[in-house]
Amino acid sequence: DTGVSQDPRHKITKRGQNVTFRCDPISEHNRLYWYRQTLGQGPEFLTYFQNEAQLEKSRLLSDRFSAERPKGSFSTLEIQRTEQGDSAMYLCASSGWDSFTGELFFGEGSRLTVL
Amino acid sequence: DAKTTQPTSMDCAEGRAANLPCNHSTISGNEYVYWYRQIHSQGPQYIIHGLKNNETNEMASLIITEDRKSSTLILPHATLRDTAVYYCIVRADNYGQNFVFGPGTRLSVLP
Repeated sequence: DTGVSQDPRHKITKRGQNVTFRCDPISEHNRLYWYRQTLGQGPEFLTYFQNEAQLEKSRLLSDRFSAERPKGSFSTLEIQRTEQGDSAMYLCASSGWDSFTGELFFGEGSRLTVL
Repeated sequence: DAKTTQPTSMDCAEGRAANLPCNHSTISGNEYVYWYRQIHSQGPQYIIHGLKNNETNEMASLIITEDRKSSTLILPHATLRDTAVYYCIVRADNYGQNFVFGPGTRLSVLP
């Protein structure tokens, strides 16, 4: 069994560049979440998919951010024209339709550093 | 905003019980209490959740007060590997709504 996997684990980029992160959820999990975490803070919700539909977006998700889940399986989070304030850990989580616990399974995260 | 308040940090001696408190005085009748933890450089990990009854699993016990305004997560025999940030979260149901994480409690288990 593979858990939630995220790629890349680390990304260093220059301000103004675009970056894309990929998340592969646990197989057959229909819900997928993106969170952002800065140093010393808890994870902050960014967006949520049920299957391929993006059902909720945080106001933190500016127009430079876009997330997709085209076939209801893996998801991508793209940040355009990165800024230094985008430096953070980007966490992906998934959960299943029949998860009575409501438990989210998190990946190890993708750490972004914007120089 | 998080609906819970937790101490910023706590210490616990290895082998002793770690009792982590959480206040959620504005909790609604249909809101569950969830606990997650995050070990350094890893994603958060689910520990336990409950509605109003006390719960126990292989990782921990959750004690919820009768008025449901506070709860305590108990790690019965803390080990060094339990050193982590522990998050207490309230959420209305099991589906759809996102989890709102606060800053959590940084637990240090000391040898």
